[in-house]
Amino acid sequence: GAVVSQHPSWVICKSGTSVKIECRSLDFQATTMFWYRQFPKQSLMLMATSNEGSKATYEQGVEKDKFLINHASLTLSTLTVTSAHPEDSSFYICSATTGTDRRVFSYEQYFGPGTRLTVT
Amino acid sequence: GQNIDQPTEMTATEGAIVQINCTYQTSGFNGLFWYQQHAGEAPTFLSYNVLDGLEEKGRFSSFLSRSKGYSYLLLKELQMKDSASYLCAVSDSNYQLIWGAGTKLIIKP
Repeated sequence: GAVVSQHPSWVICKSGTSVKIECRSLDFQATTMFWYRQFPKQSLMLMATSNEGSKATYEQGVEKDKFLINHASLTLSTLTVTSAHPEDSSFYICSATTGTDRRVFSYEQYFGPGTRLTVT
Repeated sequence: GQNIDQPTEMTATEGAIVQINCTYQTSGFNGLFWYQQHAGEAPTFLSYNVLDGLEEKGRFSSFLSRSKGYSYLLLKELQMKDSASYLCAVSDSNYQLIWGAGTKLIIKP
């Protein structure tokens, strides 16, 4: 149980284009989903937290107009990187949890396999 | 500021034991996690410590000392498949996970 999928697993796009990454919880309802970015040899950086049916909460320094997050259902969240640039090349990971209680979030986060984005 | 420190890289021999240390300075503490991450993959949960002491789970054990802001992950009977990065993460006063940069563990035959 508690499987999270991401699509695509990797994508190459040209500078200036937009890319959409999907995150799905396959066997549970994900009330809350998280989007992380990880650069090589660096730690996971939380970009935003999204709750189903409401606007995402972005971390400081993350441009909400550039990284559009939609959590339209209890099993799907999407991250769209708009007008991508080479510096956006990174490993994007989503995670999902069934809880709304922040005390549960850190203990019951289920991670997706990640999406490798390369912007040329 | 909040900070998680762990060694960048460690090397060990197949069949041996290795200890990966993690020190932290965070605003509040609600538990410490260890995750394993193979290259190009998402992290997978290994352990969770919220009280001082040693938690053993098969070949892996995790230790916590809250007064010292210190934890370690102990891996026994190392196998080649244990070659991965090991991430230390702390849940702060807001239950937000603060991640370390990870320790890349290289296992040699």
